[in-house]
Amino acid sequence: DAGVTQSPTHLIKTRGQQVTLRCSPKSGHDTVSWYQQALGQGPQFIFQYYEEEERQRGNFPDRFSGHQFPNYSSELNVNALLLGDSALYLCASSFRGLNYGYTFGSGTRLTVV
Amino acid sequence: QQQVKQSPQSLIVQKGGISIINCAYENTAFDYFPWYQQFPGKGPALLIAIRPDVSEKKEGRFTISFNKSAKQFSLHIMDSQPGDSATYFCAASKGGGADGLTFGKGTHLIIQP
Repeated sequence: DAGVTQSPTHLIKTRGQQVTLRCSPKSGHDTVSWYQQALGQGPQFIFQYYEEEERQRGNFPDRFSGHQFPNYSSELNVNALLLGDSALYLCASSFRGLNYGYTFGSGTRLTVV
Repeated sequence: QQQVKQSPQSLIVQKGGISIINCAYENTAFDYFPWYQQFPGKGPALLIAIRPDVSEKKEGRFTISFNKSAKQFSLHIMDSQPGDSATYFCAASKGGGADGLTFGKGTHLIIQP
């Protein structure tokens, strides 16, 4: 049973650049939520995608955007990267837009230099 | 504004002992309270979760105690083992909502052999 798959695992970008992170949800799940986890902190909710629409957004600027495809996979895009965007970006999948039974991927470690 | 406060930040317990981690929340609309375990380099994994209609839930060595009036909940790990050494996060949400999980800052647990 395939869990949540994220790519790439690690990424180094320069300040001001743009980055795209990818996520494939667990088999049977149709909802993808993205979280940012700074070092030594708990994950912070960025947004959730269900039925190919952004349903809710946390306290993150418009530089953070996303997309969900018909096969339920998702992308997170971050524009105009700042040093403070360096973090572990986690994707979580669930069913029917609910918060129950999240399955997290192992994340993408983004370093902005 | 931190809506979920977790303590302690770090905890050292002897093998076979009981590990206790506490969380307090502010938003009375929260109705889903999961605990996650995270190992280095991995995403959080769901351990156990509780809804506010029960005061305690047990799964194996893991127990959640929930006090709705005090807006507090705790994780007890019985017979703690070295393999339990990890970072633990409490979280809270409106389970049926789209606005994601609100996480505590985490507790770094070390079980000494």
